[in-house]
Amino acid sequence: SQQGEEDPQALSIQEGENATMNCSYKTSINNLQWYRQNSGRGLVHLILIRSNEREKHSGRLRVTLDTSKKSSSLLITASRAADTASYFCATQGGGNTPLVFGKGTRLSVIA
Amino acid sequence: DGGITQSPKYLFRKEGQNVTLSCEQNLNHDAMYWYRQDPGQGLRLIYYSQIVNDFQKGDIAEGYSVSREKKESFPLTVTSAQKNPTAFYLCASSWTSGLTDTQYFGPGTRLTVL
Repeated sequence: SQQGEEDPQALSIQEGENATMNCSYKTSINNLQWYRQNSGRGLVHLILIRSNEREKHSGRLRVTLDTSKKSSSLLITASRAADTASYFCATQGGGNTPLVFGKGTRLSVIA
Repeated sequence: DGGITQSPKYLFRKEGQNVTLSCEQNLNHDAMYWYRQDPGQGLRLIYYSQIVNDFQKGDIAEGYSVSREKKESFPLTVTSAQKNPTAFYLCASSWTSGLTDTQYFGPGTRLTVL
Protein backbone atom coordinates (compact mmCIF):
# COMPACT_ATOMS: atom_id res chain seq x y z
CA SER A 1 0.00 0.00 0.00
CA GLN A 2 1.12 3.59 -0.57
CA GLN A 3 1.64 4.44 3.07
CA GLY A 4 2.76 7.96 3.82
CA GLU A 5 5.83 8.27 5.97
CA GLU A 6 6.15 11.18 8.38
CA ASP A 7 9.42 12.79 9.38
CA PRO A 8 10.54 13.34 12.06
CA GLN A 9 9.03 10.62 14.25
CA ALA A 10 9.16 12.97 17.23
CA LEU A 11 9.64 16.71 17.62
CA SER A 12 10.04 18.81 20.73
CA ILE A 13 9.87 22.61 20.60
CA GLN A 14 9.29 25.60 22.86
CA GLU A 15 5.98 27.41 22.92
CA GLY A 16 5.91 30.17 20.33
CA GLU A 17 8.22 28.38 17.91
CA ASN A 18 7.12 26.96 14.57
CA ALA A 19 6.78 23.22 14.03
CA THR A 20 7.31 21.59 10.66
CA MET A 21 6.42 17.99 9.86
CA ASN A 22 6.97 16.23 6.56
CA CYS A 23 5.21 13.40 4.78
CA SER A 24 6.51 11.40 1.84
CA TYR A 25 4.57 8.88 -0.21
CA LYS A 26 5.29 6.52 -3.06
CA THR A 27 2.55 6.55 -5.69
CA SER A 28 0.29 9.16 -7.27
CA ILE A 29 -2.51 10.50 -5.13
CA ASN A 30 -5.92 12.13 -5.45
CA ASN A 31 -5.57 14.03 -2.20
CA LEU A 32 -3.51 14.15 0.97
CA GLN A 33 -4.96 14.85 4.41
CA TRP A 34 -3.50 15.76 7.78
CA TYR A 35 -5.03 14.59 11.06
CA ARG A 36 -4.26 15.24 14.70
CA GLN A 37 -4.60 12.79 17.60
CA ASN A 38 -4.44 13.68 21.25
CA SER A 39 -3.22 10.85 23.45
CA GLY A 40 -5.78 8.07 23.75
CA ARG A 41 -8.37 9.86 21.62
CA GLY A 42 -9.77 9.66 18.13
CA LEU A 43 -8.28 11.55 15.19
CA VAL A 44 -9.42 14.99 14.17
CA HIS A 45 -9.20 16.17 10.57
CA LEU A 46 -7.06 19.27 10.06
CA ILE A 47 -6.76 19.95 6.36
CA LEU A 48 -7.17 18.31 2.95
CA ILE A 49 -5.06 19.27 -0.06
CA ARG A 50 -5.86 17.97 -3.53
CA SER A 51 -3.27 16.83 -6.04
CA ASN A 52 -3.74 19.96 -8.18
CA GLU A 53 -3.16 22.29 -5.21
CA ARG A 54 0.23 23.42 -3.94
CA GLU A 55 -0.54 25.18 -0.69
CA LYS A 56 -3.43 25.60 1.76
CA HIS A 57 -3.85 27.56 4.95
CA SER A 58 -6.14 27.13 7.90
CA GLY A 59 -5.55 29.43 10.86
CA ARG A 60 -2.03 28.70 12.15
CA LEU A 61 -1.68 25.71 9.82
CA ARG A 62 0.01 25.78 6.45
CA VAL A 63 0.20 22.70 4.25
CA THR A 64 2.23 22.37 1.07
CA LEU A 65 2.17 19.61 -1.50
CA ASP A 66 4.87 18.84 -4.06
CA THR A 67 3.60 16.04 -6.30
CA SER A 68 6.87 15.93 -8.26
CA LYS A 69 8.71 15.01 -5.06
CA LYS A 70 5.77 13.06 -3.65
CA SER A 71 5.95 14.99 -0.41
CA SER A 72 3.91 17.29 1.80
CA SER A 73 4.69 19.43 4.81
CA LEU A 74 2.59 20.69 7.69
CA LEU A 75 3.69 23.91 9.37
CA ILE A 76 2.19 24.99 12.68
CA THR A 77 3.12 28.58 13.46
CA ALA A 78 3.42 30.12 16.92
CA SER A 79 2.89 26.75 18.60
CA ARG A 80 1.08 26.39 21.90
CA ALA A 81 1.23 23.75 24.60
CA ALA A 82 -2.24 22.65 23.45
CA ASP A 83 -0.75 21.68 20.07
CA THR A 84 0.98 18.74 21.78
CA ALA A 85 -0.34 15.69 19.93
CA SER A 86 0.49 13.19 17.20
CA TYR A 87 0.05 14.33 13.62
CA PHE A 88 -0.70 11.92 10.80
CA CYS A 89 -0.72 12.31 7.06
CA ALA A 90 -3.07 10.15 5.02
CA THR A 91 -3.07 9.67 1.27
CA GLN A 92 -5.97 8.82 -0.99
CA GLY A 93 -4.92 7.22 -4.25
CA GLY A 94 -6.72 7.39 -7.52
CA GLY A 95 -9.94 5.52 -8.06
CA ASN A 96 -12.09 4.10 -5.32
CA THR A 97 -9.39 3.43 -2.73
CA PRO A 98 -9.53 4.26 0.98
CA LEU A 99 -7.13 6.51 2.88
CA VAL A 100 -3.78 5.09 3.93
CA PHE A 101 -2.27 6.57 7.12
CA GLY A 102 1.36 7.06 8.03
CA LYS A 103 2.85 6.31 11.45
CA GLY A 104 2.72 9.92 12.58
CA THR A 105 4.91 12.58 14.13
CA ARG A 106 4.67 13.07 17.88
CA LEU A 107 4.88 16.78 18.67
CA SER A 108 5.63 18.06 22.15
CA VAL A 109 5.30 21.80 22.79
CA ILE A 110 6.95 22.85 26.02
CA ALA A 111 5.53 25.84 27.86
CA ASP B 1 -15.41 13.07 18.24
CA GLY B 2 -18.88 14.53 17.79
CA GLY B 3 -21.47 12.47 15.95
CA ILE B 4 -19.72 9.11 16.24
CA THR B 5 -19.92 7.02 19.35
CA GLN B 6 -17.99 3.91 20.21
CA SER B 7 -18.65 1.60 23.08
CA PRO B 8 -17.33 0.42 25.34
CA LYS B 9 -14.35 2.69 25.99
CA TYR B 10 -12.40 -0.17 27.57
CA LEU B 11 -12.94 -3.86 26.92
CA PHE B 12 -11.28 -6.89 28.41
CA ARG B 13 -11.46 -10.28 26.79
CA LYS B 14 -10.26 -13.72 27.70
CA GLU B 15 -8.40 -15.68 25.09
CA GLY B 16 -10.73 -17.70 22.90
CA GLN B 17 -13.67 -15.33 23.26
CA ASN B 18 -15.32 -13.29 20.54
CA VAL B 19 -16.13 -9.67 21.34
CA THR B 20 -18.13 -7.06 19.46
CA LEU B 21 -17.24 -3.38 19.38
CA SER B 22 -20.02 -0.92 18.72
CA CYS B 23 -19.85 2.07 16.36
CA GLU B 24 -22.81 4.38 15.75
CA GLN B 25 -22.98 7.64 13.79
CA ASN B 26 -25.74 10.21 13.48
CA LEU B 27 -24.06 12.23 10.73
CA ASN B 28 -25.97 10.52 7.89
CA HIS B 29 -22.64 9.48 6.39
CA ASP B 30 -22.59 6.80 3.71
CA ALA B 31 -19.15 5.31 4.39
CA MET B 32 -17.82 3.81 7.62
CA TYR B 33 -14.43 2.38 8.55
CA TRP B 34 -12.67 0.35 11.23
CA TYR B 35 -8.99 0.87 12.06
CA ARG B 36 -6.58 -0.74 14.44
CA GLN B 37 -3.82 1.27 16.13
CA ASP B 38 -0.92 -0.30 18.01
CA PRO B 39 1.31 1.73 20.37
CA GLY B 40 3.41 4.28 18.52
CA GLN B 41 1.99 3.17 15.20
CA GLY B 42 -0.28 4.57 12.56
CA LEU B 43 -3.75 3.35 11.68
CA ARG B 44 -4.29 0.13 9.78
CA LEU B 45 -7.55 -0.44 7.96
CA ILE B 46 -9.53 -3.53 8.98
CA TYR B 47 -12.81 -3.19 7.07
CA TYR B 48 -14.78 -0.45 5.37
CA SER B 49 -18.31 -0.07 4.08
CA GLN B 50 -19.45 2.33 1.40
CA ILE B 51 -23.17 1.51 1.52
CA VAL B 52 -25.57 -0.50 3.63
CA ASN B 53 -25.31 -4.28 3.27
CA ASP B 54 -21.91 -4.03 1.60
CA PHE B 55 -18.36 -3.97 2.99
CA GLN B 56 -14.80 -4.64 1.86
CA LYS B 57 -11.72 -6.03 3.54
CA GLY B 58 -8.92 -3.68 4.41
CA ASP B 59 -5.27 -4.50 4.93
CA ILE B 60 -5.67 -6.59 8.09
CA ALA B 61 -9.14 -8.20 7.95
CA GLU B 62 -8.11 -11.68 9.12
CA GLY B 63 -9.67 -12.55 12.47
CA TYR B 64 -12.29 -9.79 12.26
CA SER B 65 -15.83 -9.60 10.92
CA VAL B 66 -18.31 -6.75 10.37
CA SER B 67 -21.90 -6.11 9.35
CA ARG B 68 -23.67 -3.06 7.95
CA GLU B 69 -27.39 -3.66 8.33
CA LYS B 70 -28.18 -0.01 9.06
CA LYS B 71 -26.62 3.16 7.70
CA GLU B 72 -25.78 4.46 11.15
CA SER B 73 -24.23 1.30 12.61
CA PHE B 74 -21.07 -0.65 11.77
CA PRO B 75 -20.18 -3.16 14.52
CA LEU B 76 -16.84 -4.96 14.53
CA THR B 77 -16.42 -8.47 15.93
CA VAL B 78 -12.97 -9.54 17.03
CA THR B 79 -12.98 -13.31 16.78
CA SER B 80 -10.86 -15.88 18.53
CA ALA B 81 -9.01 -16.32 15.23
CA GLN B 82 -7.34 -12.94 15.76
CA LYS B 83 -4.10 -13.97 17.45
CA ASN B 84 -3.00 -10.59 18.79
CA PRO B 85 -6.14 -8.50 19.35
CA THR B 86 -4.87 -6.19 22.09
CA ALA B 87 -4.98 -2.73 20.49
CA PHE B 88 -6.83 0.55 20.22
CA TYR B 89 -9.73 0.35 17.76
CA LEU B 90 -11.04 3.41 15.95
CA CYS B 91 -14.22 3.77 13.95
CA ALA B 92 -14.68 6.54 11.39
CA SER B 93 -17.21 7.73 8.84
CA SER B 94 -17.25 9.98 5.80
CA TRP B 95 -19.94 11.69 3.74
CA THR B 96 -19.99 9.87 0.50
CA SER B 97 -19.27 6.40 -0.71
CA GLY B 98 -16.49 7.69 -2.93
CA LEU B 99 -13.82 7.44 -0.20
CA THR B 100 -12.24 10.80 -1.12
CA ASP B 101 -13.76 12.76 1.75
CA THR B 102 -12.39 13.65 5.13
CA GLN B 103 -13.08 11.16 7.88
CA TYR B 104 -14.70 11.77 11.24
CA PHE B 105 -13.48 9.58 14.06
CA GLY B 106 -15.03 8.17 17.18
CA PRO B 107 -13.23 8.23 20.56
CA GLY B 108 -11.97 4.66 20.26
CA THR B 109 -12.21 1.39 22.17
CA ARG B 110 -9.17 -0.03 23.92
CA LEU B 111 -9.29 -3.84 23.85
CA THR B 112 -7.09 -5.89 26.15
CA VAL B 113 -6.82 -9.65 26.03
CA LEU B 114 -6.18 -11.20 29.43
